[in-house]
Amino acid sequence: AQSVTQPDIHITVSEGASLELRCNYSYGATPYLFWYVQSPGQGLQLLLKYFSGDTLVQGIKGFEAEFKRSQSSFNLRKPSVHWSDAAEYFCAVRRTQGAQKLVFGQGTRLTINP
Amino acid sequence: KAGVTQTPRYLIKTRGQQVTLSCSPISGHRSVSWYQQTPGQGLQFLFEYFSETQRNKGNFPGRFSGRQFSNSRSEMNVSTLELGDSALYLCASSMEGGLSHEQFFGPGTRLTVL
Repeated sequence: AQSVTQPDIHITVSEGASLELRCNYSYGATPYLFWYVQSPGQGLQLLLKYFSGDTLVQGIKGFEAEFKRSQSSFNLRKPSVHWSDAAEYFCAVRRTQGAQKLVFGQGTRLTINP
Repeated sequence: KAGVTQTPRYLIKTRGQQVTLSCSPISGHRSVSWYQQTPGQGLQFLFEYFSETQRNKGNFPGRFSGRQFSNSRSEMNVSTLELGDSALYLCASSMEGGLSHEQFFGPGTRLTVL
């Protein structure tokens, strides 16, 4: 069965500092990988996705993520965070064919210090 | 292009009642998935519909059901509501067979069971 682990429940960083959110997955083969962001009271917005090819993917809002097959990881990074980045971030996986079921991690809540 | 819409946005029900939630996917999208989000269990997959057929189902009791219409709009129904059904219910649509393989989420319906 697929599973996703986000080890950090809550992270606090200062505005302007760099950010890395961790994500590890368990799956028999390389799945499709996603990062979503959720602001309070809102739905989920896709930040970026990995299907195949270049293991470093660029997303919206200055985010990037690197797929490392050997570590079963897909960590999200941003070189300099802004106060507006405060939100909850979810890593998700999906198998590459058939049903659209996403399996999510528990989420990481990001707080930005001014 | 309009995004995924969900109605109503907020609902308050009492235990034992039933509720129906509605989701209108992005135009041209044929796959609709439903997720339940709670603080304790996180984001959990309920079911997915494609071309009016349930294609995949999560581990939820039979009180949770859904359907999809010929115009791809979907409804989910929860009968005999329990306090634990209080959650944010998210709908996501996807263009099956499209290059992007990503799901677009609606803003959710916040259900409170008293």
